[in-house]
Amino acid sequence: KQEVTQIPAALSVPEGENLVLNCSFTDSAIYNLQWFRQDPGKGLTSLLLIQSSQREQTSGRLNASLDKSSGRSTLYIAASQPGDSATYLCAVRLVLSNPRTYKYIFGTGTRLKVLA
Amino acid sequence: DGGITQSPKYLFRKEGQNVTLSCEQNLNHDAMYWYRQDPGQGLRLIYYSQIVNDFQKGDIAEGYSVSREKKESFPLTVTSAQKNPTAFYLCASSIFSGAGNTIYFGEGSWLTVV
Repeated sequence: KQEVTQIPAALSVPEGENLVLNCSFTDSAIYNLQWFRQDPGKGLTSLLLIQSSQREQTSGRLNASLDKSSGRSTLYIAASQPGDSATYLCAVRLVLSNPRTYKYIFGTGTRLKVLA
Repeated sequence: DGGITQSPKYLFRKEGQNVTLSCEQNLNHDAMYWYRQDPGQGLRLIYYSQIVNDFQKGDIAEGYSVSREKKESFPLTVTSAQKNPTAFYLCASSIFSGAGNTIYFGEGSWLTVV
């Protein structure tokens, strides 16, 4: 059974610091992996998607890497800002057969606070 | 603008009452999903639908029901059989297949039992 774990559960850093959020999964047979941001009481916003054949994706100050063999992904945030404060979740997408369906498994998230 | 609309944002349910959460998308996505989020926990799948007039149970379907009569609509009914319904409910949609396709979420609905 696929499980997705995010450590730490919470993180506080001073403004300007570079930081890394971790996501680990137990089964390497994933279709893709996504990182999301969730503000309090809001829905999830997709930040980056890495297909299973890719190693990393970048968008602005964000860089996400994927190592399927070790079951790990990291989200790197450069020069953090108070506006980055939110919960960050990762999710893996699985392909199931008979019938062919797709399923997402979400981690519990890392709650980030960037202090001004 | 394209997106997913959930309503209402806040809903209160009395004991023994059924309530329905609305989810509408104009992204022309085939697949739609309902998730439940409790404090400090990840998202848990309630139901999903990959085509109109077809849907499957997720991991925590007991006490919930859905319908998919139109491609753009996937309402969720929380029945009186759901003993602990107080939670944040998220609707999502995606293109059915393709490793490069993102799942999109609505803004969520808060359900509280009073």
